[in-house]
Amino acid sequence: RKEVEQDPGPFNVPEGATVAFNCTYSNSASQSFFWYRQDCRKEPKLLMSVYSSGNEDGRFTAQLNRASQYISLLIRDSKLSDSATYLCVVNPYSSASKIIFGSGTRLSIRP
Amino acid sequence: GAGVSQSPSNKVTEKGKDVELRCDPISGHTALYWYRQSLGQGLEFLIYFQGNSAPDKSGLPSDRFSAERTGGSVSTLTIQRTQQEDSAVYLCASSLEGTSGGMDTQYFGPGTRLTVL
Repeated sequence: RKEVEQDPGPFNVPEGATVAFNCTYSNSASQSFFWYRQDCRKEPKLLMSVYSSGNEDGRFTAQLNRASQYISLLIRDSKLSDSATYLCVVNPYSSASKIIFGSGTRLSIRP
Repeated sequence: GAGVSQSPSNKVTEKGKDVELRCDPISGHTALYWYRQSLGQGLEFLIYFQGNSAPDKSGLPSDRFSAERTGGSVSTLTIQRTQQEDSAVYLCASSLEGTSGGMDTQYFGPGTRLTVL
């Protein structure tokens, strides 16, 4: 089993829709979690950290479910500009060198 | 301020040749990471530098790969005797400290696209 797994997609949704995708992790002792966004042929950029209590940033909501070992990203009122690959990032060992990136979920928003 | 820069942006080389990829981290960032990303894949960790500590080389795929970080700033990733499977985008990232349980945000450079013919 991979340490971090994501549905590769693509998720193809109409503009204005709500879309959500999950990321599962295998190490129950994992301490920190992030969502990064990567546009086509560009470098990844931090979208948001994921806190135990869940957090929201505008149209984006991130949640952590420790019992089931997954994090989720919800995007409301999706925009064409949200089209990108979303990378789940997990730090399973509280060591900066061991951060693991998922393979990403590709999201495509259509007009 | 300036972000992470990498050079060259593209490198085409012949199988068997050596290549050097350069990364200039954000000024003041003590942690530096190298990753590679093959087409349609996630990021694969290669090596991590933190301050003056010994680097974590656990992700380097073979002894053909090596990296240095001089003066705690610029880093060079060297691939010797390149193979076609080395073709990928090589991404460098830096973060402020690299500690705090890995909570520091990583800022990525634009990457170097390596093609081995």
